[in-house]
Amino acid sequence: NAGVTQTPKFQVLKTGQSMTLQCAQDMNHNSMYWYRQDPGMGLRLIYYSASEGTTDKGEVPNGYNVSRLNKREFSLRLESAAPSQTSVYFCASSAASGRVDTQYFGPGTRLTVL
Amino acid sequence: GDSVTQMEGPVTLSEEAFLTINCTYTATGYPSLFWYVQYPGEGLQLLLKATKADDKGSNKGFEATYRKETTSFHLEKGSVQVSDSAVYFCALSDRGKSTFGDGTTLTVKP
Repeated sequence: NAGVTQTPKFQVLKTGQSMTLQCAQDMNHNSMYWYRQDPGMGLRLIYYSASEGTTDKGEVPNGYNVSRLNKREFSLRLESAAPSQTSVYFCASSAASGRVDTQYFGPGTRLTVL
Repeated sequence: GDSVTQMEGPVTLSEEAFLTINCTYTATGYPSLFWYVQYPGEGLQLLLKATKADDKGSNKGFEATYRKETTSFHLEKGSVQVSDSAVYFCALSDRGKSTFGDGTTLTVKP
């Protein structure tokens, strides 16, 4: 039982390049999330998927797109990377059944945009 | 909307000192409350949770009590260790949506 996995762990991009961050969970969770974490700013929600086939914008969606490929996988795409997108990106999942919604996080992707 | 406010850090303590990290929340519904911990280079992981008023969550010597009257969920530990050095996040979930505090960095010195 691997939980939530993310690839890659590290990535360096040049301004304007594109890339996709991959996330998969093996806990049969309904909901999946993408966050970014910047120093002094806590976690900010980029996009989330409440269930397979649905996606919604979070607090900071500009410059990103997502795909809920199936129940297990939720990818985050940067179409044209900018230095402001340098951050640590975390994927999370939750069962989202009722009030007690514990989130399970992946190990993160550390992205640097030059 | 819902919000979570944590005491600002960083917090630096000596080993075996008493720890308190304050957390207050605002919510329109009846949320569940959580503390998550993030060790260096890792993702967040659940430390403890409480689902209703007066519940006490506990794990690894950490405790927090759900206080509805003061809308608080303060994290405490009687005797911290160097291995407790990490970032601690208070969070709530309500009606399928989670809200996180900004995190408090704890450093424990030997």
